[in-house]
Amino acid sequence: DGGITQSPKYLFRKEGQNVTLSCEQNLNHDAMYWYRQDPGQGLRLIYYSQIVNDFQKGDIAEGYSVSREKKESFPLTVTSAQKNPTAFYLCASSYGTLTGQGTEAFFGQGTRLTVV
Amino acid sequence: GENVEQHPSTLSVQEGDSAVIKCTYSDSASNYFPWYKQELGKRPQLIIDIRSNVGEKKDQRIAVTLNKTAKHFSLHITETQPEDSAVYFCAASIVGGGNKLTFGTGTQLKVEL
Repeated sequence: DGGITQSPKYLFRKEGQNVTLSCEQNLNHDAMYWYRQDPGQGLRLIYYSQIVNDFQKGDIAEGYSVSREKKESFPLTVTSAQKNPTAFYLCASSYGTLTGQGTEAFFGQGTRLTVV
Repeated sequence: GENVEQHPSTLSVQEGDSAVIKCTYSDSASNYFPWYKQELGKRPQLIIDIRSNVGEKKDQRIAVTLNKTAKHFSLHITETQPEDSAVYFCAASIVGGGNKLTFGTGTQLKVEL
């Protein structure tokens, strides 16, 4: 299972609180991604980063923030502005497209966030 | 942006039969099309992928076909087995364009004994 690790596996948040989901990879991948998975809706892109200190919004970035200070790490913060944060969150990484390699994306095991 | 549609949403087959899942995409610039399998509570894992310079790719019981003109691609699983039961996602991306995958909504495949 090595390569890309998410923590924690389960996370409970009270309404109005910010929480941060961890994602670490040791695959030497340049690109990292955060997806949200809801039943019947597939995987929707929240944010992605092609290189350290740079990231772009995906399709559903509102209420989320990220940072990419290190190549290995891409934490996601779910803020209180996210109105419906209960979901399964998946982090992924791949070789970046800056070199044109753009290949397989490897996923972490996911974090299930529940608002209580 | 890219939009990927996937059908059917659920598929039940008898063990040993074939299963076909179809996807269409909207952005003609997309050139990489992976398929992921996700078992309950687990991470998606790549099972096969195809690039736009080929029309078909096969790996044992799994094959993918691509029709660039029609902008659709399909996953074919032959001789299905109970362990094939899972959710399957198709995706599309542009290599050199961020490599961000746009996913279909998934197909729940159930292989019945």
